[in-house]
Amino acid sequence: DVVLTQTPVSLSVTLGDQASISCRSSQSLEYSDGYTYLEWYLQKPGQSPQLLIYGVSNRFSGVPDRFIGSGSGTDFTLKISRVEPEDLGVYYCFQATHDPLTFGSGTKLEIK
Amino acid sequence: QIQLVQSGPELKKPGESVKISCKASGYTFTDYAMHWVKQAPGKGLKWMGWINTYTGKPTYADDFKGRFVFSLEASASTANLQISNLKNEDTATYFCARMTNYVMDAWGQGASVTVSS
Repeated sequence: DVVLTQTPVSLSVTLGDQASISCRSSQSLEYSDGYTYLEWYLQKPGQSPQLLIYGVSNRFSGVPDRFIGSGSGTDFTLKISRVEPEDLGVYYCFQATHDPLTFGSGTKLEIK
Repeated sequence: QIQLVQSGPELKKPGESVKISCKASGYTFTDYAMHWVKQAPGKGLKWMGWINTYTGKPTYADDFKGRFVFSLEASASTANLQISNLKNEDTATYFCARMTNYVMDAWGQGASVTVSS
């Protein structure tokens, strides 16, 4: 199974500062069709997960441009510029390239 | 708007069974696969598998083969998850999520299952 390792486990950020989360995969996430099925989800406290980024760097509808996904192959990053109070929660990377599909272990973002 | 509404919390004893429902609205049910995700208390997300809502064919991750069954009531735009012979480690919140182009773009609110003697 593909293992997605997220770092850090938790992150405390001052409002207005930038946050960066890493997701490293045990295998390349580029599929034979050339697409990379790497996504980022945010689970706010007491809520269901919500899609932020798909295909490494594409923002889902309604997601602010403060959220920037990047990377390729096995190394991926989610950057949140100008962190706002509503950004707190647990961020998960997720891969749909290889079966079984797998989530990263999560990164908890707290506001200082 | 697109909605996935899941059934309410369940309290069960070990060895019993439970059935969780996920009712979809706001889109054509059979056009999108339905995935299931487990979240144990205080833990992360674990992908359980999915069901093809057009053919009814289920696919299970290895850890969810045997006691877990995905099914449909397509006429009611509803996907179901049944867990038999419940164990303490099945205590969790179970989410359904619609998948399109390998992206889970809509999620249910979660259904809590507590297994306790």
